[in-house]
Amino acid sequence: EPEVTQTPSHQVTQMGQEVILRCVPISNHLYFYWYRQILGQKVEFLVSFYNNEISEKSEIFDDQFSVERPDGSNFTLKIRSTKLEDSAMYFCASSESFSLWNQPQHFGDGTRLSIL
Amino acid sequence: DQQVKQNSPSLSVQEGRISILNCDYTNSMFDYFLWYKKYPAEGPTFLISISSIKDKNEDGRFTVFLNKSAKHLSLHIVPSQPGDSAVYFCAAKASSGAGSYQLTFGKGTKLSVIP
Repeated sequence: EPEVTQTPSHQVTQMGQEVILRCVPISNHLYFYWYRQILGQKVEFLVSFYNNEISEKSEIFDDQFSVERPDGSNFTLKIRSTKLEDSAMYFCASSESFSLWNQPQHFGDGTRLSIL
Repeated sequence: DQQVKQNSPSLSVQEGRISILNCDYTNSMFDYFLWYKKYPAEGPTFLISISSIKDKNEDGRFTVFLNKSAKHLSLHIVPSQPGDSAVYFCAAKASSGAGSYQLTFGKGTKLSVIP
């Protein structure tokens, strides 16, 4: 069964450093998402991406965050200058279509980001 | 801001019995609801969904019920198996307007199925 893959599984970074989290969505999916889950809290939406542009973003997704689809398969989340509070599990997701609104989002296994 | 609430942090059920997981929502714009299962160190895995035009959707051992007037949905697992032990997340989405791309999650219910 096709799946969303994320690398690395665990990233440890010094505060203030840039970090890039990588995702390979399911190949025929057109919509891509990032979510995060801080330890003990809910899974929270960060951003959605379609047709090479951001379609929606949350208040969490400030100027320190950016997303990119650098080629036909990868989808990346960049945090420019990491803060301690960015420590969380980051999940990438993809869905086949948005117009058919009953399409579920499929998630990867996440990248655990630890900021020191 | 708890638009999706799962009030039971945990639930224990005997193998072979029914597991019922509950979820309440407050946002009237939500019209598509999903259940995800999550094992430790893995991402949420899609289980089953329901749109607001239905009040029941069934897939094998899993059935989701939606009560729109009460803004309540539930997931029934029959019969429960030890492999069902996981954290179950309820999620909701609006099909139009602001927020229509994002899933809003509950905090999850940890289900333990006892052999």
